[in-house]
Order: sequence, then C-alpha cells, then structure tokens
Amino acid sequence: NAGVTQTPKFRILKIGQSMTLQCTQDMNHNYMYWYRQDPGMGLKLIYYSVGAGITDKGEVPNGYNVSRSTTEDFPLRLELAAPSQTSVYFCASYGQGYNSPLHFGNGTRLTVT
Amino acid sequence: QQQVKQSPQSLIVQKGGISIINCAYENTAFDYFPWYQQFPGKGPALLIAIRPDVSEKKEGRFTISFNKSAKQFSLHIMDSQPGDSATYFCAAGPKETSGSRLTFGEGTQLTVNP
Repeated sequence: NAGVTQTPKFRILKIGQSMTLQCTQDMNHNYMYWYRQDPGMGLKLIYYSVGAGITDKGEVPNGYNVSRSTTEDFPLRLELAAPSQTSVYFCASYGQGYNSPLHFGNGTRLTVT
Repeated sequence: QQQVKQSPQSLIVQKGGISIINCAYENTAFDYFPWYQQFPGKGPALLIAIRPDVSEKKEGRFTISFNKSAKQFSLHIMDSQPGDSATYFCAAGPKETSGSRLTFGEGTQLTVNP
C-alpha cells in the first residue's frame, strides 16, 4: 500500500525558477489537497480538488497552480519561485465516509535562494 | 472566524507524565475535531477525533476532552513516553465536508524526556 507518494523529497531552487511538485495516490480518492507547513504556522491549504478536472483555491494560492487530469495525480506548479515559498509541502487525499482521515504524503522540502 | 488557535507551541514532559495540548475555535459550524500526529520527516497522521455530541473520547493513552459551550478542546496524553515525541496538530472541520476541509492549529512540538 503506497498511499500518497510525493516527489522529490528535497529541492533547492533559485529565485525565478519554476518546478512541479508531484503527488500521486493509489487509493482512488476523489479529494486531494496541497498544504504548506511553516514553523509555528500549522498547515495552510494552497489548493484542493474534489475530482478529476475540478480544482479550487485554498487559503494561500498565490504563486501556485494545480491541475487534476486523473484521479491519481495532483501536481503543484511553482512558476516564479520566491524566497517566501521556502517551506515543506504536503499533499493529502481523502476518501469520504464518516470520520475518514486525511492521508498525507511525506512531504517535499523546498528551499528558494 | 475560520481560525483554530493551539497552545502551547512547545511542551517538554518527563516520561510517565501527562501531556496536555489545548485548542480553541471560533466557527460554530465546525462539527469534527481531529488531532494529527507528525514525526520528523513524515506527513501528519490521524491520531484521534471527536464530534461535538460527546464531551470526551479515549483511545488507549490518548483522550480528547471537548467543551462545546467554551468552543475548546484538548488532547491529553497519559503516561507520556519518549516515543510520543512528535508535533501534534489540532484541526476542525465543518459538518458538510467532515474531514476533508480542515482548518489546522499552529502545532505543538512535544518532547518527552526519558
């Protein structure tokens, strides 16, 4: 059971570079999420998707883009990296049902210098 | 109105002691209150959750206490162990989406000394 898989685990970007953080899940979950985690700030929702072809903004979407062409994959795109995007990024999925948990990946640690 | 406030930011407890982490929320539409546990280098994982129709839920050494009138809930870890050292997040979600659209607290870094 792979669950939610994120790649890469670590990445260093220069200011202005772009990259895509990959996320895939093998649980056939419709709901998928991208969070960023900063020290003392908790988890902030960037974007989410309720199914293939449907995405919506979360609390902190600026500087990011997403797409959801399949149920399994939910990549997060950074177009012009800025130091403020230095963070740990977590992808999660949710399968619905009473008290169903969010299933998180192990994160991507991104540094923008 | 969407905030969930968590305290303390960090907590050091001796082995065998009781760890207590508190959270407060504002939005009365919140209907689901989970706690997530995160070990270094890993994503958060659901530890225990409660709905407001009960005031307490216990699973092993972990207990959630819920005070609906005060809009507060807390996590108690009895007989704390070094293996409990982790970051703990409280969260809250609205009834219509249950666990999917959660608002997270700021997190508490728990250290249990041997």
